[in-house]
Amino acid sequence: DTEVTQTPKHLVMGMTNKKSLKCEQHMGHRAMYWYKQKAKKPPELMFVYSYEKLSINESVPSRFSPECPNSSLLNLHLHALQPEDSALYLCASSQAAGRNTEAFFGQGTRLTVV
Amino acid sequence: AQKITQTQPGMFVQEKEAVTLDCTYDTSDPSYGLFWYKQPSSGEMIFLIYQGSYDQQNATEGRYSLNFQKARKSANLVISASQLGDSAMYFCAMTETSYDKVIFGPGTSLSVIP
Repeated sequence: DTEVTQTPKHLVMGMTNKKSLKCEQHMGHRAMYWYKQKAKKPPELMFVYSYEKLSINESVPSRFSPECPNSSLLNLHLHALQPEDSALYLCASSQAAGRNTEAFFGQGTRLTVV
Repeated sequence: AQKITQTQPGMFVQEKEAVTLDCTYDTSDPSYGLFWYKQPSSGEMIFLIYQGSYDQQNATEGRYSLNFQKARKSANLVISASQLGDSAMYFCAMTETSYDKVIFGPGTSLSVIP
């Protein structure tokens, strides 16, 4: 099973809303990632969790707040977003960060901020 | 400085023909991994093939093969016998042992013509 599950698949939210994106994997992977992808661009790394601890924050605005409740789950809490935050948000996992192994991605959440 | 270069923004190939997608990379880490991902219009990021920096043989996975030329720092993807379902964005990506992140190139859009 190489599945990473993301919910919801689509999300429309207002600029004053609070919402959360969820990501789950059951492959025993110890590294999990959030990426943001704009149309026709490569994914841009936002956060890396290694063994449930935040190891990388790529200078992401505080309106994005990640959380890793356990080794299988990764959340991204959203608050007071801007229209320019509309994008595809991809979650990924790999065996462990820095191990040069493939990362498996979820299907993504298409976020629209209105 | 961009670590991964994909010089072909768009490519066309006739169905059943082979196609090569170019990728060059830059790293000073002796231990790294190179990956190719396929992203159809649906948005999911599909892992295709992996090459480790110490691997002596070129990686192959079904119709996909990776032409790894370490001295030239290139990792080209070869797709044999193209199918209509191969039409998608293709991203070359890299990990380095010293960093906990997967870095993506700008991508190549491949269109397979019947």
